[in-house]
Amino acid sequence: GAGVSQSPSNKVTEKGKDVELRCDPISGHTALYWYRQRLGQGLEFLIYFQGNSAPDKSGLPSDRFSAERTGESVSTLTIQRTQQEDSAVYLCASSSRETWGSTLHFGNGTRLTVT
Amino acid sequence: GNSVTQMEGPVTLSEEAFLTINCTYTATGYPSLFWYVQYPGEGLQLLLKATKADDKGSNKGFEATYRKETTSFHLEKGSVQVSDSAVYFCALSDNSGGGADGLTFGKGTHLIIQP
Repeated sequence: GAGVSQSPSNKVTEKGKDVELRCDPISGHTALYWYRQRLGQGLEFLIYFQGNSAPDKSGLPSDRFSAERTGESVSTLTIQRTQQEDSAVYLCASSSRETWGSTLHFGNGTRLTVT
Repeated sequence: GNSVTQMEGPVTLSEEAFLTINCTYTATGYPSLFWYVQYPGEGLQLLLKATKADDKGSNKGFEATYRKETTSFHLEKGSVQVSDSAVYFCALSDNSGGGADGLTFGKGTHLIIQP
């Protein structure tokens, strides 16, 4: 079946512009996660959705970052007034959360480059 | 807080060599432990997991044993192949029911297998 789909796969933007990243999770997965992976760093947790609500926004690095999810499906991560330090691979993952030790299913990521 | 430390790469081996990628963790309670793998051009995918002490996770010839006494979850494979070249991430879930299941990832280890 279809996995987690992210778009675009690559995005180059100028500093100060806004960008929107999209994630289509696996159908039926209620949990959706956004992570950021900077060059040479581990996965940095950004935000987590259970259904359409986001009980944990603690990882968003600043108020320039926001995310929403609709229909318990598609999610968009928006970065306003992008900065060079926002350059990273943004990964989306989903899970069914049926058991402890949830297995995450990841998309291929969006590589964002801010020039 | 929770943390995962894994050996830094790149790790370069010849085909058929024995592989060990070290991973140690710090967590409260009784976490679940995971290895995720990211092949070139693909998204992260679960390689194996263990949910309690002394459990051994295994998949595709890889193994890792949950060692509570040493807080470790080292990844091993007896004879690596060129196709094993990828980035490997050690991760833990503290099963706390909190945001993103308390998932914490290591920085990743880039493995390069030469023919």
